[in-house]
Amino acid sequence: QKEVEQDPGPLSVPEGAIVSLNCTYSNSAFQYFMWYRQYSRKGPELLMYTYSSGNKEDGRFTAQVDKSSKYISLFIRDSQPSDSATYLCAMSDSGGYQKVTFGTGTKLQVIP
Amino acid sequence: DSGVTQTPKHLITATGQRVTLRCSPRSGDLSVYWYQQSLDQGLQFLIQYYNGEERAKGNILERFSAQQFPDLHSELNLSSLELGDSALYFCASSSPRRGSSGANVLTFGAGSRLTVL
Repeated sequence: QKEVEQDPGPLSVPEGAIVSLNCTYSNSAFQYFMWYRQYSRKGPELLMYTYSSGNKEDGRFTAQVDKSSKYISLFIRDSQPSDSATYLCAMSDSGGYQKVTFGTGTKLQVIP
Repeated sequence: DSGVTQTPKHLITATGQRVTLRCSPRSGDLSVYWYQQSLDQGLQFLIQYYNGEERAKGNILERFSAQQFPDLHSELNLSSLELGDSALYFCASSSPRRGSSGANVLTFGAGSRLTVL
């Protein structure tokens, strides 16, 4: 079993839709939860991160962490064609220089 | 431009050959990570260096090796290449200062695309 599981998609939605992206994990030591966005032929870039459980909002993006269920989500409101990318969840057991474990990524396409 | 520089961008070689991928981390970052990304495996952690010393090892094959030099740039050496080694190889760097809440925020380069024929 992989430490981090993520539905690879692809996910296709119309512009303006609410998108929900999810990951599950098995390592209860994970404390930091991150979402990266990767455009085609580019390196991943950090979108947002949360520490432990709870929600975090940044514009149209909301990250949720449920440690009791070992489940994290990223919601995108009012999705735009420019949101079309692969979204990777990532986790680590502490900060500093700790190893970061990535999900396989979910490919999202927002159709105008 | 993320500040992490990877060369070469593209590389085509034959089975059995050896290649070297190079990475210059973001200014001020002491830690360098190497990841392999293929279509069916996602982003796989290979190895991490911190200030010249190996810090953590992931699913790195014995045919692969890496090092970080005193100027903090890193090289990933891939030898006895096989068709299955064809992938995108990403380098990332980090510094604890950049994650204000302590998260290990990685900054990725644009990747080196390796094709083994």
